[in-house]
Formats: sequence, structure tokens, C-alpha cells
Amino acid sequence: GENVEQHPSTLSVQEGDSAVIKCTYSDSASNYFPWYKQELGKRPQLIIDIRSNVGEKKDQRIAVTLNKTAKHFSLHITETQPEDSAVYFCAAYSGAGSYQLTFGKGTKLSVIP
Amino acid sequence: NAGVTQTPKFRILKIGQSMTLQCTQDMNHNYMYWYRQDPGMGLKLIYYSVGAGITDKGEVPNGYNVSRSTTEDFPLRLELAAPSQTSVYFCASSYSGQPPVPQHFGDGTRLSIL
Repeated sequence: GENVEQHPSTLSVQEGDSAVIKCTYSDSASNYFPWYKQELGKRPQLIIDIRSNVGEKKDQRIAVTLNKTAKHFSLHITETQPEDSAVYFCAAYSGAGSYQLTFGKGTKLSVIP
Repeated sequence: NAGVTQTPKFRILKIGQSMTLQCTQDMNHNYMYWYRQDPGMGLKLIYYSVGAGITDKGEVPNGYNVSRSTTEDFPLRLELAAPSQTSVYFCASSYSGQPPVPQHFGDGTRLSIL
């Protein structure tokens, strides 16, 4: 089955700096990659996604990039703000066979004012 | 709209007891999911449903059961609770569009088995 590795597990940045979270996946059949943000004690929120036929997608201060050849994808947050502090999860979806959405273990991002 | 509503928010069970975690959504979503989240880990799929009357196992279904008699409701049943089922449980839903991944989550149920 699919295996998703996420790095780093924790990340601290100064407010205004950029943050990058990287994920790798193992199943070449995976074709959709969502990212979720989970603030402490709150529900996960789907914040951005990318499909395998797209190399990059942006939404205001966040962007995702995908390298299918290397099987890795990344989340980029620019001009970080304290409210960006949360745990971020990447995931990979493979439509092959039974339903399969595999999550990474998460990255705890702390933005220091 | 309330979105996805889960009850209860917290619960403590004794080993061997049973309980049902309730989940309802008012967005007319066909897809619904149950996940568990253990400390420091990502979400693991327990069961999912693609519509009323249709359910299927996820990655960690053992010890759980579900039913989907209506589009709105997707309860999760724990039979013979075990300490390994101590976790935070999230219900989620999504549109029928491809691909089917959870888009809206409930607030979660924190369950402790003692």
C-alpha cells in the first residue's frame, strides 16, 4: 500500500519568514494530494490540494508543488503569521483498487512573533 | 448550516463496554468517513460510506461497526471497548466529486477506555 513520509516533524520560523514542509509518497498510482491544517484541539481543515497533472498551485500565501518523477510534494507558506501555527498533514490519494487516502504523520509549525 | 456534528465531545468508557459515536451532516454529502487520530500520528480511516446503505472498511476497522441508513447520519459503534481504542475520533464528509477525500470534519470525540 501507499506510504507517505513527512518532514520535518517540527518547524519553528520567525513571523514573516517562509516555511516549507515536504512529503514523499511511494505509490506511483497516487494522483491527488491534499493538505490539512489542524490547530491545537480543533478539527482538521482542508487548505489546499494538487492533482497529478499539475506541477504547482497557489492560494494567497500558500502554495503546493508536485514532482511526480521524484514522488514528492511540498507545502510552502510565505510571510508566515502567528495564526499559521498548527499541525499540517499531507496526504496522498490513490484511486487504484479500494479507497485509499494515506496521511503523513504531521508537521508542527510554530510561528514566533 | 451546522456542517458536520459529532456527539458526544468527550466520553470515558470501561473496558468491555459498548457505545455509539453519533455523526450527522446537513450538507447533503454522499461521502462520509470515520477517522481516528492517535497522539503524534496522522489520521487513520476506520470506515467510510459512499451513500445511504453502502459502507466499506478502511485501514483500521477491527472493533468497530457502522451503518448508513440515511444520507445525513453515519454512526460508529464500538463493541467491547479496549484500551487500544483510546483516541480522538473524527467524522468527515465530502461531495461526490472525484476524488473522494474528506472536506469537512466534525469537532471530534475524545474517547478514553479505562
